[in-house]
Amino acid sequence: GAVVSQHPSWVICKSGTSVKIECRSLDFQATTMFWYRQFPKQSLMLMATSNEGSKATYEQGVEKDKFLINHASLTLSTLTVTSAHPEDSSFYICSARRPGTSFPDTQYFGPGTRLTVL
Amino acid sequence: AQTVTQSQPEMSVQEAETVTLSCTYDTSESDYYLFWYKQPPSRQMILVIRQEAYKQQNATENRFSVNFQKAAKSFSLKISDSQLGDAAMYFCASTIKAAGNKLTFGGGTRVLVKP
Repeated sequence: GAVVSQHPSWVICKSGTSVKIECRSLDFQATTMFWYRQFPKQSLMLMATSNEGSKATYEQGVEKDKFLINHASLTLSTLTVTSAHPEDSSFYICSARRPGTSFPDTQYFGPGTRLTVL
Repeated sequence: AQTVTQSQPEMSVQEAETVTLSCTYDTSESDYYLFWYKQPPSRQMILVIRQEAYKQQNATENRFSVNFQKAAKSFSLKISDSQLGDAAMYFCASTIKAAGNKLTFGGGTRVLVKP
């Protein structure tokens, strides 16, 4: 099956610093990737849709200046949490859409990144 | 807009027994898909099963099967012959063509398997 990786798997940072999380599709090209946030014992909340070569589309209530998304290539999307604060501590998951011939394309999920902001 | 509701926060099942997880959804679209995802303690999301709305036949994947009741907008998951490895969070999700593959997830059901 298709593989999606995330790096780092966990990160601890100080309040006020920025953190970059990478999402890579290892064996297929993904024109679209999605970023989710998951709080403890809760469901996944879609933050934004990352499109290769164009600006990301953010869900309502998600600060685009806070969560910068860059889809630099067909296999890499990055999420940068700028000026992180303790309330940004969460589990961040990406998924990559593998293009197919019919709707819906299969989404493959990364293993997630645990962010802790001190 | 889509909504997905899972009314059971937690379900417990004896090993080798059967458990059914409930899911209801709401959409005004006619072209949509439904999914069940498993999230084990590793937190890696794993696709368990998917159902095309236009298909009347219920999807089946080995020990996992669904009961898709389109009129009632119900999409339950049955796990047969439960195994210890089935212990996980299970999320029901939907996507509509108009949403460009975006998934809407339910709140999740934790499945505990007792040996």
